[in-house]
Amino acid sequence: GAVVSQHPSRVICKSGTSVKIECRSLDFQATTMFWYRQFPKQSLMLMATSNEGSKATYEQGVEKDKFLINHASLTLSTLTVTSAHPEDSSFYICSARELAVYNEQFFGPGTRLTVL
Amino acid sequence: TQLLEQSPQFLSIQEGENLTVYCNSSSVFSSLQWYRQEPGEGPVLLVTVVTGGEVKKLKRLTFQFGDARKDSSLHITAAQPGDTGLYLCASEGNQGGKLIFGQGTELSVKP
Repeated sequence: GAVVSQHPSRVICKSGTSVKIECRSLDFQATTMFWYRQFPKQSLMLMATSNEGSKATYEQGVEKDKFLINHASLTLSTLTVTSAHPEDSSFYICSARELAVYNEQFFGPGTRLTVL
Repeated sequence: TQLLEQSPQFLSIQEGENLTVYCNSSSVFSSLQWYRQEPGEGPVLLVTVVTGGEVKKLKRLTFQFGDARKDSSLHITAAQPGDTGLYLCASEGNQGGKLIFGQGTELSVKP
């Protein structure tokens, strides 16, 4: 199967700072990437859908100005949590898909964000 | 928006026992996927079911898709501690490949 990486795997930041998380498809080109967040003992909640070269589509209730998503190339999408607060602490997971090749999404290993 | 109801949400059993996890929707699934997620990692796809009435087996795991394609189940036979994890069902909506996840079943298998 295809491989998706995320960086960093863990990050701790102070309240008010911004944090960038990278999602890369290592051995395929992802026309679409998805960003999820997951709280402890809960399921994944889709935050946004990102298509290469266009603006991300955010799910209802997700602040687009707070969670900036950029999908500048077919192998890289970034999620920037701006002015982070403790309530933004969560596990952020990306997935990537290339419809023409794979009929499934491939998930990254996740990024644990802790905001102090 | 399609909602997936997954049950039970928590399950703690002894090694060797059998268990079943259910995933239901009021809408018809185009297809349904089952994932397993370990703590601190991303979910890993176990199986995709597409056809109503379909049964797929993966070692001790048996996946069924309801005839009407509105429900699915995951049955684990003779559970082992290595089966411990979060099991998630997910369905692709009608909008560009978005996956909608069930609430998840946290399984703990004690030796």
